[in-house]
Amino acid sequence: AAGVIQSPRHLIKEKRETATLKCYPIPRHDTVYWYQQGPGQDPQFLISFYEKMQSDKGSIPDRFSAQQFSDYHSELNMSSLELGDSALYFCASSLGVGFSYEQYFGPGTRLTVT
Amino acid sequence: AQKITQTQPGMFVQEKEAVTLDCTYDTSDQSYGLFWYKQPSSGEMIFLIYQGSYDEQNATEGRYSLNFQKARKSTNLVISASQLGDSAMYFCAMRVSFGGGSEKLVFGKGTKLTVNP
Repeated sequence: AAGVIQSPRHLIKEKRETATLKCYPIPRHDTVYWYQQGPGQDPQFLISFYEKMQSDKGSIPDRFSAQQFSDYHSELNMSSLELGDSALYFCASSLGVGFSYEQYFGPGTRLTVT
Repeated sequence: AQKITQTQPGMFVQEKEAVTLDCTYDTSDQSYGLFWYKQPSSGEMIFLIYQGSYDEQNATEGRYSLNFQKARKSTNLVISASQLGDSAMYFCAMRVSFGGGSEKLVFGKGTKLTVNP
């Protein structure tokens, strides 16, 4: 079965650079979520999109922005990178919104900022 | 505020034995969803099992089952017949809704399970 695709899988950037992470949800899934997991931490919600519109925002820095495109893929743009942005970034998708809809996670993008 | 608590930072179990991972939650909502995810050392987040707040029966999925006690606000994961491949970090999570299609998952700190041969 098709899964959530994230690219790139690994990314190394220097401080103050910009990074773009891409997410391709499972076919027919219309909801996308982004999470950030720091080393040894639990995942923290960043932002979500439902039917191509931003639906909720967590503790996402102003340096980060994201959008969902007409084909439902999503991109997370990160500017002025800081060392503390080094983390595993997950994208998840679900078939809809509601308590019974599980979120399926992609493999994650491991971002290292040096 | 909604919160997930996993009090066991690490657990050890012998291969082929059963193990229970604890999870308690705090919410004032009447409707909510509870999830368990497995995260191996490779990093991916694998969905294991789901329990809805209105489900009368405990969820079961293969070797995974939940001991859901709504009054105690706990949803413990039971893994039967542990296998070496079960060694991983396990996260309990709750789906939090803000209305209008806005929602997110709130995670506990996780439990690292080690299965010994």
